[in-house]
Amino acid sequence: DGGITQSPKYLFRKEGQNVTLSCEQNLNHDAMYWYRQDPGQGLRLIYYSQIVNDFQKGDIAEGYSVSREKKESFPLTVTSAQKNPTAFYLCASSPRGSGGLTDTQYFGPGTRLTVL
Amino acid sequence: SQKIEQNSEALNIQEGKTATLTCNYTNYSPAYLQWYRQDPGRGPVFLLLIRENEKEKRKERLKVTFDTTLKQSLFHITASQPADSATYLCALYNFNKFYFGSGTKLNVKP
Repeated sequence: DGGITQSPKYLFRKEGQNVTLSCEQNLNHDAMYWYRQDPGQGLRLIYYSQIVNDFQKGDIAEGYSVSREKKESFPLTVTSAQKNPTAFYLCASSPRGSGGLTDTQYFGPGTRLTVL
Repeated sequence: SQKIEQNSEALNIQEGKTATLTCNYTNYSPAYLQWYRQDPGRGPVFLLLIRENEKEKRKERLKVTFDTTLKQSLFHITASQPADSATYLCALYNFNKFYFGSGTKLNVKP
């Protein structure tokens, strides 16, 4: 999984609770991404960050929040405002952000979140 | 936004045959297109990248074509093996974002 770690692998949460998913990379990549994957659907972008202390909303940011205080870390918080949080969450990083013609995404192993 | 279409039905082929997967996109032509492999319960793994000015790219048993007129990419695995069984995703890069298709599941039978 290319130097990206996500923890935990499985996470259970009660409805109404916030939960934070960890993502760490030791690849010295500038850009990091969070995706959500549901059965039969493609990866949908939640948030992305091209540099420390800066991040942008993706296509489905509502009910999620992120921070990028360190280059190697990009934690995702799933808040109680997210109506259907049960999904497989994937974190990725790439060497460069905007304009990189050879950006390749390296994915972590994923966290499967289940809301009980 | 960009829409990516991949055949949602699984592709079943016999070992040794060539598997061909299709990726169609709408709207903007991307700067480049990528193919990833995803095994169950794991993150996708990058396989190949092809740029908009390239027609074809090869890597060992893999071949990717890119037709910006048809807005289509084809992904071929020659001499397929059971170990090639997985879901294959295509992804486009536009405006600082990656857009992924839902993937096509390939089953290679011995």
